[in-house]
Amino acid sequence: GAGVSQSPSNKVTEKGKDVELRCDPISGHTALYWYRQRLGQGLEFLIYFQGNSAPDKSGLPSDRFSAERTGESVSTLTIQRTQQEDSAVYLCASSLGHQAAEAFFGQGTRLTVV
Amino acid sequence: RKEVEQDPGPFNVPEGATVAFNCTYSNSASQSFFWYRQDCRKEPKLLMSVYSSGNEDGRFTAQLNRASQYISLLIRDSKLSDSATYLCVVNQAGTALIFGKGTTLSVSS
Repeated sequence: GAGVSQSPSNKVTEKGKDVELRCDPISGHTALYWYRQRLGQGLEFLIYFQGNSAPDKSGLPSDRFSAERTGESVSTLTIQRTQQEDSAVYLCASSLGHQAAEAFFGQGTRLTVV
Repeated sequence: RKEVEQDPGPFNVPEGATVAFNCTYSNSASQSFFWYRQDCRKEPKLLMSVYSSGNEDGRFTAQLNRASQYISLLIRDSKLSDSATYLCVVNQAGTALIFGKGTTLSVSS
């Protein structure tokens, strides 16, 4: 497809388990963003990848959260030892990378920690 | 930190009304500005970019005041389909897009 693809679309996990969320950006997009959106809340920045530069990890809420990106393609967001407060929609976006570029979002992964 | 602030609303207006949303940002180094729209349980989508000279797209007008670090969005002749959350977004070169928490608009018949 031509858009940003995220998988899984829904994930229910038990507290304490690790989860891995995947994002396939639009081909050719050098910038990739992860955001978290809790129910009824705004988008909370997590991490930003731009080309081969070191990622901006300033938004990661704890050391349980990590993300990787392979070149300018797929990214995975990993949450270790999940907690109930991790329940949210995790949104990935990609863009051409210049400051005025439009960011295109995937449909998100809805994570529920029980 | 509240880098981008918006009035959360909700704004409840009748069809045909004109409504204005405001946004302020804290980082004077911000260089690019946008309004995104998010429908309920959907992903955000770009509504329009905001340029220093102001810009208009049909019923939508965006304004930027760099001196006051203030962005606005004006919607004229509101439609039922305009009901959504409107997100103010700012960006600096080489950094992530920073989103405001959004302003909710509900247009009723």
